[in-house]
Amino acid sequence: KAGVTQTPRYLIKTRGQQVTLSCSPISGHRSVSWYQQTPGQGLQFLFEYFSETQRNKGNFPGRFSGRQFSNSRSEMNVSTLELGDSALYLCASSYLSGGGSDTQYFGPGTRLTVL
Amino acid sequence: GENVEQHPSTLSVQEGDSAVIKCTYSDSASNYFPWYKQELGKRPQLIIDIRSNVGEKKDQRIAVTLNKTAKHFSLHITETQPEDSAVYFCAAFPGGSQGNLIFGKGTKLSVKP
Repeated sequence: KAGVTQTPRYLIKTRGQQVTLSCSPISGHRSVSWYQQTPGQGLQFLFEYFSETQRNKGNFPGRFSGRQFSNSRSEMNVSTLELGDSALYLCASSYLSGGGSDTQYFGPGTRLTVL
Repeated sequence: GENVEQHPSTLSVQEGDSAVIKCTYSDSASNYFPWYKQELGKRPQLIIDIRSNVGEKKDQRIAVTLNKTAKHFSLHITETQPEDSAVYFCAAFPGGSQGNLIFGKGTKLSVKP
């Protein structure tokens, strides 16, 4: 099976712009979770989508949003970019929801740089 | 909510030595504890996990122990090799249909040849 893929791999944006990141899960997986990774902060949970519904949301401002399509592919959008949004954005897919009873498989990430 | 603390933040060992990374969690309802390894520039990959009904699990040179009473779990790597050098993350799942994995901040392990 093909692994989790993310596009684009790298992005450079300026403050105030918006950005859309894409994640394609492993075939058959219905859950996609998004994480923000910054140096020293580990992986911080953004949100999880399962069967096109947001199941859970982390403690991030409303500028961060997402959606999931019927083929389980997911997009994440960040509006009005700030310098502090510079990070590696990782998505992870699993067959079941929540990551608690099923292994999460990570994508390679999208490196976002905000200038 | 759940909080996971991970120690140490950096760890340097000589090749062949053992390495131990410890994590504590706050939510006694947490029932699933995976460990991920992230090499430089690569994606996190699951290396071992343990569920709350098991006290210890081993896979070749890697083992994980869980102490539910003390609410801590540890990763043990024996006979370390240079390719074990990476950042290791522990995580805890607090349970429930709306839960999600909570990660520790990571431990950078360096294995010196």
